[in-house]
Amino acid sequence: QKEVEQNSGPLSVPEGAIASLNCTYSDRGSQSFFWYRQYSGKSPELIMSIYSNGDKEDGRFTAQLNKASQYVSLLIRDSQPSDSATYLCAVNANTGFQKLVFGTGTRLLVSP
Amino acid sequence: KAGVTQTPRYLIKTRGQQVTLSCSPISGHRSVSWYQQTPGQGLQFLFEYFSETQRNKGNFPGRFSGRQFSNSRSEMNVSTLELGDSALYLCASSLAGQGNEQYFGPGTRLTVT
Repeated sequence: QKEVEQNSGPLSVPEGAIASLNCTYSDRGSQSFFWYRQYSGKSPELIMSIYSNGDKEDGRFTAQLNKASQYVSLLIRDSQPSDSATYLCAVNANTGFQKLVFGTGTRLLVSP
Repeated sequence: KAGVTQTPRYLIKTRGQQVTLSCSPISGHRSVSWYQQTPGQGLQFLFEYFSETQRNKGNFPGRFSGRQFSNSRSEMNVSTLELGDSALYLCASSLAGQGNEQYFGPGTRLTVT
């Protein structure tokens, strides 16, 4: 079982729709969860962090965390073509130090 | 605030050579982590430095090493390059402490021929 799992996609949504990206993780002791966006040929860009169960909203983005189910999700409202990218779920390993374990990413395609 | 900077941005080396990559973290950030990204393996953790000490190391051979200087700048070195070392090497900086947000630099694209 992979430590962090994501559907590789592509996830195709029309412009203006809600895109829902999902991630599961195996280390029940993980405490910190992140979503990064990566455009082709670029480095990952942090878009959301979440540490507590529930929802966290930032603009068009909402991160959801359910530690009991070991599940993290990212919702993108009013999706735009510029949101087309690979979205990486990352979990800080329960080592006491800074070590992110990444999923393989979900490719999102937003069509005009 | 200036972001994380990495030099060089692109590098072409021959098998057997060695390479040194440099990373300057965001001002005030004391933790620097290095990651390797390849199409086949995705993003994998190499090591993390804090206060000039390696705190954590990923599952990479000893050919991969690093260090951190007193100003938090970090370097990583790869010796005896292999074709499989071709990758995007990313540096990320964060405030001290587990779980803090990590911000990535633009990366160094290494090609080994």
